[in-house]
Amino acid sequence: QQQVKQSPQSLIVQKGGISIINCAYENTAFDYFPWYQQFPGKGPALLIAIRPDVSEKKEGRFTISFNKSAKQFSLHIMDSQPGDSATYFCAAENSGGYQKVTFGIGTKLQVIP
Amino acid sequence: DTEVTQTPKHLVMGMTNKKSLKCEQHMGHRAMYWYKQKAKKPPELMFVYSYEKLSINESVPSRFSPECPNSSLLNLHLHALQPEDSALYLCASSQDAQGTYEQYFGPGTRLTVT
Repeated sequence: QQQVKQSPQSLIVQKGGISIINCAYENTAFDYFPWYQQFPGKGPALLIAIRPDVSEKKEGRFTISFNKSAKQFSLHIMDSQPGDSATYFCAAENSGGYQKVTFGIGTKLQVIP
Repeated sequence: DTEVTQTPKHLVMGMTNKKSLKCEQHMGHRAMYWYKQKAKKPPELMFVYSYEKLSINESVPSRFSPECPNSSLLNLHLHALQPEDSALYLCASSQDAQGTYEQYFGPGTRLTVT
Protein backbone atom coordinates (compact mmCIF):
# COMPACT_ATOMS: atom_id res chain seq x y z
CA GLN A 1 0.00 0.00 0.00
CA GLN A 2 1.52 3.26 -1.12
CA GLN A 3 1.16 5.71 1.76
CA VAL A 4 2.47 8.65 -0.24
CA LYS A 5 1.21 8.85 -3.82
CA GLN A 6 3.34 10.83 -6.25
CA SER A 7 2.70 11.92 -9.83
CA PRO A 8 3.77 12.09 -12.55
CA GLN A 9 6.40 9.34 -12.65
CA SER A 10 8.24 11.13 -15.43
CA LEU A 11 8.24 14.72 -16.60
CA ILE A 12 9.89 16.54 -19.49
CA VAL A 13 10.09 20.32 -19.23
CA GLN A 14 11.63 22.94 -21.49
CA LYS A 15 14.47 25.00 -20.04
CA GLY A 16 13.02 28.04 -18.30
CA GLY A 17 9.66 26.37 -17.73
CA ILE A 18 7.94 25.37 -14.51
CA SER A 19 8.17 21.77 -13.26
CA ILE A 20 5.32 20.63 -11.03
CA ILE A 21 5.26 17.39 -9.05
CA ASN A 22 2.27 16.43 -6.93
CA CYS A 23 1.93 14.23 -3.86
CA ALA A 24 -0.91 13.07 -1.65
CA TYR A 25 -0.98 11.22 1.66
CA GLU A 26 -3.56 9.46 3.80
CA ASN A 27 -1.96 9.14 7.24
CA THR A 28 -2.89 12.22 9.27
CA ALA A 29 -0.09 11.40 11.72
CA PHE A 30 2.42 12.65 9.17
CA ASP A 31 3.66 16.07 10.21
CA TYR A 32 6.82 16.67 8.21
CA PHE A 33 7.10 16.60 4.43
CA PRO A 34 10.56 16.65 2.86
CA TRP A 35 11.49 16.52 -0.81
CA TYR A 36 14.62 14.68 -1.87
CA GLN A 37 16.59 15.09 -5.08
CA GLN A 38 18.64 12.20 -6.43
CA PHE A 39 21.13 12.36 -9.29
CA PRO A 40 22.25 9.15 -11.02
CA GLY A 41 24.94 7.36 -9.03
CA LYS A 42 24.31 9.47 -5.93
CA GLY A 43 22.29 9.13 -2.78
CA PRO A 44 19.19 11.28 -2.23
CA ALA A 45 19.75 14.76 -0.81
CA LEU A 46 17.24 16.89 1.06
CA LEU A 47 16.02 19.69 -1.19
CA ILE A 48 13.34 21.45 0.83
CA ALA A 49 10.86 20.49 3.55
CA ILE A 50 7.63 21.81 5.04
CA ARG A 51 5.49 21.30 8.14
CA PRO A 52 1.68 21.44 7.91
CA ASP A 53 1.39 24.69 9.87
CA VAL A 54 2.43 26.65 6.77
CA SER A 55 0.86 26.55 3.32
CA GLU A 56 3.90 27.48 1.29
CA LYS A 57 7.67 27.48 1.59
CA LYS A 58 10.07 28.91 -0.94
CA GLU A 59 13.81 28.41 -1.26
CA GLY A 60 15.29 29.98 -4.35
CA ARG A 61 13.61 28.46 -7.41
CA PHE A 62 11.98 25.68 -5.38
CA THR A 63 8.56 26.10 -3.73
CA ILE A 64 6.45 23.64 -1.76
CA SER A 65 2.71 24.25 -1.64
CA PHE A 66 0.82 22.42 1.09
CA ASN A 67 -2.94 21.84 1.40
CA LYS A 68 -3.63 20.25 4.78
CA SER A 69 -7.37 19.75 4.30
CA ALA A 70 -6.84 17.96 0.98
CA LYS A 71 -3.77 16.12 2.30
CA GLN A 72 -1.83 17.16 -0.76
CA PHE A 73 1.46 18.90 -1.37
CA SER A 74 3.43 19.80 -4.44
CA LEU A 75 6.87 20.93 -5.57
CA HIS A 76 7.23 23.71 -8.09
CA ILE A 77 10.58 24.31 -9.77
CA MET A 78 10.61 27.72 -11.41
CA ASP A 79 12.89 28.56 -14.34
CA SER A 80 13.84 24.88 -14.66
CA GLN A 81 17.42 24.23 -15.76
CA PRO A 82 19.10 21.18 -17.34
CA GLY A 83 21.04 20.81 -14.08
CA ASP A 84 17.71 20.15 -12.33
CA SER A 85 17.37 16.89 -14.28
CA ALA A 86 17.16 14.27 -11.54
CA THR A 87 14.70 12.04 -9.74
CA TYR A 88 12.59 13.79 -7.11
CA PHE A 89 11.00 11.97 -4.20
CA CYS A 90 8.34 13.48 -1.99
CA ALA A 91 8.23 12.00 1.47
CA ALA A 92 6.37 12.13 4.75
CA GLU A 93 7.38 11.55 8.36
CA ASN A 94 5.79 11.33 11.77
CA SER A 95 7.81 13.25 14.34
CA GLY A 96 6.34 11.24 17.19
CA GLY A 97 8.47 8.14 16.85
CA TYR A 98 11.67 6.87 15.37
CA GLN A 99 12.51 8.68 12.17
CA LYS A 100 11.04 6.66 9.31
CA VAL A 101 10.85 8.36 5.96
CA THR A 102 7.94 7.22 3.79
CA PHE A 103 8.89 7.97 0.20
CA GLY A 104 6.71 8.51 -2.83
CA ILE A 105 7.43 6.50 -5.97
CA GLY A 106 9.64 9.21 -7.45
CA THR A 107 9.46 11.52 -10.48
CA LYS A 108 12.18 11.48 -13.11
CA LEU A 109 12.53 15.05 -14.36
CA GLN A 110 14.27 15.85 -17.60
CA VAL A 111 14.83 19.49 -18.48
CA ILE A 112 15.62 19.92 -22.16
CA PRO A 113 17.47 22.93 -23.58
CA ASP B 1 31.94 18.10 6.89
CA THR B 2 28.45 16.94 5.87
CA GLU B 3 29.57 13.82 4.10
CA VAL B 4 28.60 10.20 4.54
CA THR B 5 31.09 7.86 2.91
CA GLN B 6 30.44 4.31 1.80
CA THR B 7 32.78 1.56 0.66
CA PRO B 8 33.02 -0.18 -1.66
CA LYS B 9 31.29 1.69 -4.49
CA HIS B 10 30.60 -1.51 -6.36
CA LEU B 11 30.50 -5.13 -5.18
CA VAL B 12 29.92 -8.33 -7.08
CA MET B 13 29.46 -11.44 -4.98
CA GLY B 14 28.35 -15.00 -5.38
CA MET B 15 25.53 -16.53 -3.42
CA THR B 16 27.93 -18.37 -1.12
CA ASN B 17 30.20 -15.41 -0.37
CA LYS B 18 30.43 -13.35 2.79
CA LYS B 19 31.10 -9.64 2.35
CA SER B 20 30.60 -6.40 4.28
CA LEU B 21 29.51 -2.90 3.36
CA LYS B 22 30.93 0.00 5.34
CA CYS B 23 29.58 3.44 6.13
CA GLU B 24 31.21 6.32 8.00
CA GLN B 25 30.12 9.79 9.12
CA HIS B 26 31.93 12.44 11.16
CA MET B 27 29.06 14.84 11.77
CA GLY B 28 28.47 13.69 15.34
CA HIS B 29 25.15 12.19 14.32
CA ARG B 30 23.68 9.65 16.71
CA ALA B 31 21.35 7.93 14.24
CA MET B 32 22.42 5.82 11.28
CA TYR B 33 20.35 3.99 8.71
CA TRP B 34 20.59 1.33 6.02
CA TYR B 35 18.31 1.55 2.98
CA LYS B 36 17.93 -0.68 -0.06
CA GLN B 37 17.06 0.92 -3.39
CA LYS B 38 16.06 -1.03 -6.48
CA ALA B 39 16.22 0.58 -9.91
CA LYS B 40 13.55 3.23 -10.50
CA LYS B 41 12.17 2.75 -6.98
CA PRO B 42 12.38 4.81 -3.80
CA PRO B 43 14.72 3.80 -0.98
CA GLU B 44 13.31 1.20 1.41
CA LEU B 45 14.33 1.39 5.06
CA MET B 46 16.11 -1.71 6.38
CA PHE B 47 17.61 -0.80 9.76
CA VAL B 48 17.81 2.17 12.15
CA TYR B 49 20.53 2.55 14.77
CA SER B 50 20.07 5.06 17.55
CA TYR B 51 22.99 5.75 19.89
CA GLU B 52 24.69 2.61 18.54
CA LYS B 53 21.73 0.39 19.39
CA LEU B 54 19.51 -1.29 16.80
CA SER B 55 16.14 0.44 17.10
CA ILE B 56 14.30 -0.65 13.98
CA ASN B 57 14.61 -3.79 11.87
CA GLU B 58 12.09 -3.66 9.04
CA SER B 59 11.68 -7.45 8.91
CA VAL B 60 14.90 -7.81 6.94
CA PRO B 61 16.06 -11.40 6.23
CA SER B 62 18.83 -12.66 8.50
CA ARG B 63 21.25 -12.92 5.58
CA PHE B 64 21.66 -9.16 6.19
CA SER B 65 23.35 -8.45 9.52
CA PRO B 66 23.96 -4.86 10.62
CA GLU B 67 26.61 -3.76 13.08
CA CYS B 68 27.39 -0.40 14.64
CA PRO B 69 30.90 -0.60 16.16
CA ASN B 70 30.87 3.06 17.27
CA SER B 71 28.94 6.26 16.72
CA SER B 72 30.73 7.01 13.42
CA LEU B 73 30.67 3.61 11.76
CA LEU B 74 27.98 1.34 10.42
CA ASN B 75 28.52 -2.00 8.73
CA LEU B 76 26.22 -4.32 6.86
CA HIS B 77 27.38 -7.93 6.77
CA LEU B 78 26.13 -9.99 3.86
CA HIS B 79 25.94 -13.78 3.68
CA ALA B 80 24.22 -16.24 1.37
CA LEU B 81 22.49 -13.52 -0.62
CA GLN B 82 20.08 -14.14 -3.46
CA PRO B 83 20.15 -12.54 -6.95
CA GLU B 84 17.05 -10.51 -6.00
CA ASP B 85 19.16 -8.79 -3.32
CA SER B 86 21.04 -6.97 -6.08
CA ALA B 87 20.41 -3.26 -5.49
CA LEU B 88 21.94 0.02 -4.40
CA TYR B 89 22.52 -0.02 -0.64
CA LEU B 90 22.40 3.42 0.90
CA CYS B 91 23.63 4.50 4.29
CA ALA B 92 22.30 7.66 5.93
CA SER B 93 22.77 9.51 9.19
CA SER B 94 20.86 12.15 11.11
CA GLN B 95 21.31 14.11 14.30
CA ASP B 96 18.90 11.87 16.19
CA ALA B 97 16.59 8.97 15.36
CA GLN B 98 13.57 10.47 17.12
CA GLY B 99 11.90 13.53 15.69
CA THR B 100 12.44 14.91 12.23
CA TYR B 101 16.00 15.72 11.28
CA GLU B 102 17.62 15.96 7.90
CA GLN B 103 18.98 12.62 6.80
CA TYR B 104 22.30 12.78 4.99
CA PHE B 105 22.75 9.96 2.49
CA GLY B 106 25.94 8.42 1.23
CA PRO B 107 26.47 7.65 -2.47
CA GLY B 108 25.64 4.00 -1.96
CA THR B 109 27.18 0.63 -2.76
CA ARG B 110 25.97 -0.96 -5.99
CA LEU B 111 25.66 -4.67 -5.14
CA THR B 112 25.33 -7.42 -7.74
CA VAL B 113 24.68 -10.98 -6.58
CA THR B 114 25.53 -13.64 -9.16
